[in-house]
Amino acid sequence: AQSVTQLDSQVPVFEEAPVELRCNYSSSVSVYLFWYVQYPNQGLQLLLKYLSGSTLVKGINGFEAEFNKSQTSFHLRKPSVHISDTAEYFCAVSQGGSQGNLIFGKGTKLSVKP
Amino acid sequence: KAGVTQTPRYLIKTRGQQVTLSCSPISGHRSVSWYQQTPGQGLQFLFEYFSETQRNKGNFPGRFSGRQFSNSRSEMNVSTLELGDSALYLCASSLGGGADTQYFGPGTRLTVL
Repeated sequence: AQSVTQLDSQVPVFEEAPVELRCNYSSSVSVYLFWYVQYPNQGLQLLLKYLSGSTLVKGINGFEAEFNKSQTSFHLRKPSVHISDTAEYFCAVSQGGSQGNLIFGKGTKLSVKP
Repeated sequence: KAGVTQTPRYLIKTRGQQVTLSCSPISGHRSVSWYQQTPGQGLQFLFEYFSETQRNKGNFPGRFSGRQFSNSRSEMNVSTLELGDSALYLCASSLGGGADTQYFGPGTRLTVL
C-alpha cells in the first residue's frame, strides 16, 4: 500500500529565509507526486507536480521540489519565504493509470514570522 | 473557467440525521473525488466517480455514499450521522487520469451535534 510521510508537522521560519518541507513516500509501483497548499478556510491549491522527466520541478509562487527515487523523497523548497506563504502544505501521491485518488501526508504548517 | 463549487459551505446537523453535499466540477472534467479532512486523521479519500460510475473507494463505512450525474455533478450522502463525521468535506475534479491535476473546491464544513 502507498503511504506518504511528512516529517515535520510544523515549521516556523523568519521572513526571507529559505525553507524546506520534507516528504517521503512508499510505494511498490511508480507514482505521481504532488504538493498542495491550503490557506485557512479554503480548499487545496496545486503548487507543483512530478510526473516524469526532470527531477527538479518548478511550481507557482517560487516553490520547487526535487524528486529523489533512491530516497523515495519529494522535498519542497523555497529560497526566500514571505509572510503570505503561511499556510498548510500537503504532499500527495497518485498511483497513476486510472486511479484518480490521492494519498495525502498529514500536512506541514508553515509559519512565517516577520 | 469557473472552478469547483460546493454547496452548502456550512452545515450543522444532529446525530442520527442524514446529509447530502453537492459538488459541481470544472466544465469538461469527468472525474469527481471526495475527501474528508479532520484534524486527527488528515485528508482521507472517500470515493471517486468517473462518468457516473464509482471507480475507486476509500476505507469508509457504508453510511458514506455518493453518486454522479450525467453532467458530472456529484453528490455525497452520509446517513445516520455520528459526532465523528464532523469534518471538512472536499470535492476535487479532474479530467480523470492519475497524472491529471485534481482541482479542489472550497469544501463543506459539516458539524454534527
